Amino acid sequence: RKEVEQDPGPFNVPEGATVAFNCTYSNSASQSFFWYRQDCRKEPKLLMSVYSSGNEDGRFTAQLNRASQYISLLIRDSKLSDSATYLCVVREGGSTLGRLYFGRGTQLTVWP
Amino acid sequence: GAVVSQHPSWVICKSGTSVKIECRSLDFQATTMFWYRQFPKQSLMLMATSNEGSKATYEQGVEKDKFLINHASLTLSTLTVTSAHPEDSSFYICSADNSGTKTLGEQFFGPGTRLTVL
Repeated sequence: RKEVEQDPGPFNVPEGATVAFNCTYSNSASQSFFWYRQDCRKEPKLLMSVYSSGNEDGRFTAQLNRASQYISLLIRDSKLSDSATYLCVVREGGSTLGRLYFGRGTQLTVWP
Repeated sequence: GAVVSQHPSWVICKSGTSVKIECRSLDFQATTMFWYRQFPKQSLMLMATSNEGSKATYEQGVEKDKFLINHASLTLSTLTVTSAHPEDSSFYICSADNSGTKTLGEQFFGPGTRLTVL
């Protein structure tokens, strides 16, 4: 069983749409959760951390459900520049300096 | 944020040759660096964890004699792909932990090295 499972995608949405990505993780002891963004042929870049109480950064909202071991990312008012692959990432259980586990990524294309 | 550089950004080599990739933390010290490989349309797969001053820890299925890792200083880790073959062609990315952001748990990624073996 994979450590991190993500929506397979791809998602193709018009500008202005709201889109949601989901992710589940297998290690209940994991403490740190992130969404990274990866553009084609580029390295991943941190989009946002995911906190237990949920958190928002502009048009992006991340939620964590520890009971279900489920993480989500909501993007409102999609922009063309949001087109990328979104990676759900979980840090090794109980450690802030442990290895990261990456989901396969969900590809998003926002069209005009 | 912390900056991690990689060199070269891309390399083309003949089958059987060795290729060295450098990963540097530019504005912080990194006791731990990570090496990943990513094939097209797949996610990053951790190859090994590089620890300054000690041997790297390799993931299952990764040949340590083929992928040599050296972490000689707190700002530099190198990955050498020995006797490269076409199936080693991939995007290699390093990352580093910045203890200054320990509470965030974020890793900082280098820009990656695209290796093509002919």
